[in-house]
Amino acid sequence: DAKTTQPPSMDCAEGRAANLPCNHSTISGNEYVYWYRQIHSQGPQYIIHGLKNNETNEMASLIITEDRKSSTLILPHATLRDTAVYYCIVRAANAGGTSYGKLTFGQGTILTVHP
Amino acid sequence: DSGVTQTPKHLITATGQRVTLRCSPRSGDLSVYWYQQSLDQGLQFLIQYYNGEERAKGNILERFSAQQFPDLHSELNLSSLELGDSALYFCASSGDRGREQYFGPGTRLTVT
Repeated sequence: DAKTTQPPSMDCAEGRAANLPCNHSTISGNEYVYWYRQIHSQGPQYIIHGLKNNETNEMASLIITEDRKSSTLILPHATLRDTAVYYCIVRAANAGGTSYGKLTFGQGTILTVHP
Repeated sequence: DSGVTQTPKHLITATGQRVTLRCSPRSGDLSVYWYQQSLDQGLQFLIQYYNGEERAKGNILERFSAQQFPDLHSELNLSSLELGDSALYFCASSGDRGREQYFGPGTRLTVT
């Protein structure tokens, strides 16, 4: 799986958008970009994933550049409860796409949302 | 609530002992994953089971073993425990075609 690079920490004011970048310059064609977060020693929580198109769900938006070498997770209106470690993970689908394997976590970005 | 349950929440034991951690996946999920999170190593993949069979292995020590039962719950067995095995152990599950993994609340193991 491709390696990812994230800033170690970021700050965001409550109510503002939080934009978390991730670099994955060695990503290959069949690899997806996933985002998870972990709130203080709780189990990691799935946020969103994408292959090449931008994606949006009730939690966040994922913007993937056209060359797929980087992406940005956007939390549109950050709250104090969004303070967490955010992990960007690149993972390949297994052949046939019927089974997906391990997640390889890096150090992530510590996002602190302040009042 | 992810739907994945883990027991116990906390476990304190002595070096040299053996413990069993239990995981119940979300209803219908066939895959179970185990991860270890320690302060110095971060979150690391240990092992994956799919419908009762071992599917993938990560950095799992020989002192550790796991299995998945016919009802799909899984157990992680840790033996000859050392101080360095103190960590959070997470279980995750995913569906047959599911790309997302859903994590349980974890078991905090403290070896004294």
